[in-house]
Amino acid sequence: DAGVTQSPTHLIKTRGQQVTLRCSPKSGHDTVSWYQQALGQGPQFIFQYYEEEERQRGNFPDRFSGHQFPNYSSELNVNALLLGDSALYLCASSLDPTPVGNTIYFGEGSWLTVV
Amino acid sequence: GENVEQHPSTLSVQEGDSAVIKCTYSDSASNYFPWYKQELGKGPQLIIDIRSNVGEKKDQRIAVTLNKTAKHFSLHITETQPEDSAVYFCAASMGREAAGNKLTFGGGTRVLVKP
Repeated sequence: DAGVTQSPTHLIKTRGQQVTLRCSPKSGHDTVSWYQQALGQGPQFIFQYYEEEERQRGNFPDRFSGHQFPNYSSELNVNALLLGDSALYLCASSLDPTPVGNTIYFGEGSWLTVV
Repeated sequence: GENVEQHPSTLSVQEGDSAVIKCTYSDSASNYFPWYKQELGKGPQLIIDIRSNVGEKKDQRIAVTLNKTAKHFSLHITETQPEDSAVYFCAASMGREAAGNKLTFGGGTRVLVKP
């Protein structure tokens, strides 16, 4: 059973460019969330997708956008890249949560360096 | 919003000793508390979780306790081994009705097990 898969694993972009990161959720999961993890810090919630719609968003600017496809896979797009966007971007998948919350699994992440 | 604090930030133990990491949360509506282990260059790996209707949960050498009244939860690792060396994160989330299973993470604890 494949877990959460992300691509690419590493990439380098220049300030002002745009980047697209991709995620395939764990088999059977329908909810995808994206997190940003700066070096030495805990992951920070960016947004969550369910039924192809953004259901919830963290404190991130509109430069961060996403999409979920009918097969539940997802993309994270970041426009007008800043040096501060350099981080590990993590995709997490789960089943649509019950009132008590479903288990959330993370991928290995995509390392983004902005120069 | 929810705030999770984690202590200590670093923890050094001798192989075979126990390690304890403590977290506090601010929002009494949080009802799901996972713990993740993150090795260098990898994504967070779920090691154990606990829901608010349970006070304690154990899985081999790992145990988690939850005190809802005090709003704190702890991770206990017994008989530590060198392979337990990693960064550990606690997290908290609410169910779908409140926050769509968004995770709020603590700042992490770097654990070093000395042989």
